[in-house]
Amino acid sequence: GQQLNQSPQSMFIQEGEDVSMNCTSSSIFNTWLWYKQDPGEGPVLLIALYKAGELTSNGRLTAQFGITRKDSFLNISASIPSDVGIYFCAGSYLSSNTGKLIFGQGTTLQVKP
Amino acid sequence: DADVTQTPRNRITKTGKRIMLECSQTKGHDRMYWYRQDPGLGLRLIYYSFDVKDINKGEISDGYSVSRQAQAKFSLSLESAIPNQTALYFCATSDFGTGKGEQYFGPGTRLTVT
Repeated sequence: GQQLNQSPQSMFIQEGEDVSMNCTSSSIFNTWLWYKQDPGEGPVLLIALYKAGELTSNGRLTAQFGITRKDSFLNISASIPSDVGIYFCAGSYLSSNTGKLIFGQGTTLQVKP
Repeated sequence: DADVTQTPRNRITKTGKRIMLECSQTKGHDRMYWYRQDPGLGLRLIYYSFDVKDINKGEISDGYSVSRQAQAKFSLSLESAIPNQTALYFCATSDFGTGKGEQYFGPGTRLTVT
């Protein structure tokens, strides 16, 4: 079946540093979504991407839909302590009409003040 | 008020017991999903429903059943709980009409089976 590989698995960075993480798929997608999960809470949608090559920002977050449609990237600039959490990528091939998402394993981010 | 709510938020139960987790949404979405989260494994789909009359198995449906009582309500049951069903369970919704596939999650239920 379809698989998503998300890397890195975890990151421990200094406040103020930039962060990059990515997801790669064995199949092409036409939707990429990025979520953040705080401890004890459900995932919250950060950015949605619908077109190959698309670059979208949400504050200090920027995500890109890879040209091959098999990958996506999330960057966080000037990290702050509240960026701590688990970041998930998710992909979907909507024309299958199932609406099902495939999730990456998550990147755990820790920020040292 | 939260758009997607789950009850209970925490539950401890014994092996062999039947347990039901409930999900309600006020977003007016037609599609609802149940996921399980285990450390290092991300989110895995248990069941999904496109409307009240449509129920579909996900990748890990064995040992689980669901009921879509109304468009706004989707419950997950463990008929006979076992310890390896200890996990975080999330309900999610999406709106087919937007054609965008975005899913919105509830706060989760932490289930422990002893």
